[in-house]
Amino acid sequence: ILNVEQSPQSLHVQEGDSTNFTCSFPSSNFYALHWYRWETAKSPEALFVMTLNGDEKKKGRISATLNTKEGYSYLYIKGSQPEDSATYLCAFSGGSQGNLIFGKGTKLSVKP
Amino acid sequence: SQTIHQWPATLVQPVGSPLSLECTVEGTSNPNLYWYRQAAGRGLQLLFYSVGIGQISSEVPQNLSASRPQDRQFILSSKKLLLSDSGFYLCAWSGRGNQPQHFGDGTRLSIL
Repeated sequence: ILNVEQSPQSLHVQEGDSTNFTCSFPSSNFYALHWYRWETAKSPEALFVMTLNGDEKKKGRISATLNTKEGYSYLYIKGSQPEDSATYLCAFSGGSQGNLIFGKGTKLSVKP
Repeated sequence: SQTIHQWPATLVQPVGSPLSLECTVEGTSNPNLYWYRQAAGRGLQLLFYSVGIGQISSEVPQNLSASRPQDRQFILSSKKLLLSDSGFYLCAWSGRGNQPQHFGDGTRLSIL
């Protein structure tokens, strides 16, 4: 059974803090690793799709790194803002058909 | 631009009743289509995916079925709902290969 683990389960930070969370996934049969942001009362929104070992992607204050050999990815948020409050999901893909295995997510709350 | 429509937003059904949830995509052709469920306290679980008309792959054995009668239409059905079918159902589409998935607004299904 393929498992995707995310930690921590939840995180409370102050506005302006930088934070990071972890996604662990199977290191065999790797095809892609996705990150999504899911705000309350909205649908999940894609942040990154990562495929290459050592890859680093950035979108504004959010960045992600990928280590396919050891099976982990980190998501970083620099200078957290209240609007960053959301659940951050990672998902593992083992093939080109796009069927993803999601982690349970990290719920981030940023206090003003 | 591409859009995805999913309805209804909420649904309350008695045990044993049938189910039909519909999802349509506009602005793209030959998308991959997906149905996910999030049960209470759990992560997003892929139920079905489709790479073309009439082609359905099931990820988990269950009481539900899916159909793709047209290129951009994906339907989730059940002949007799169980209490365990309660949850939040999300439809998504993606392009081929390493493409992010784009989600609908979801359907909150409560079984009484």
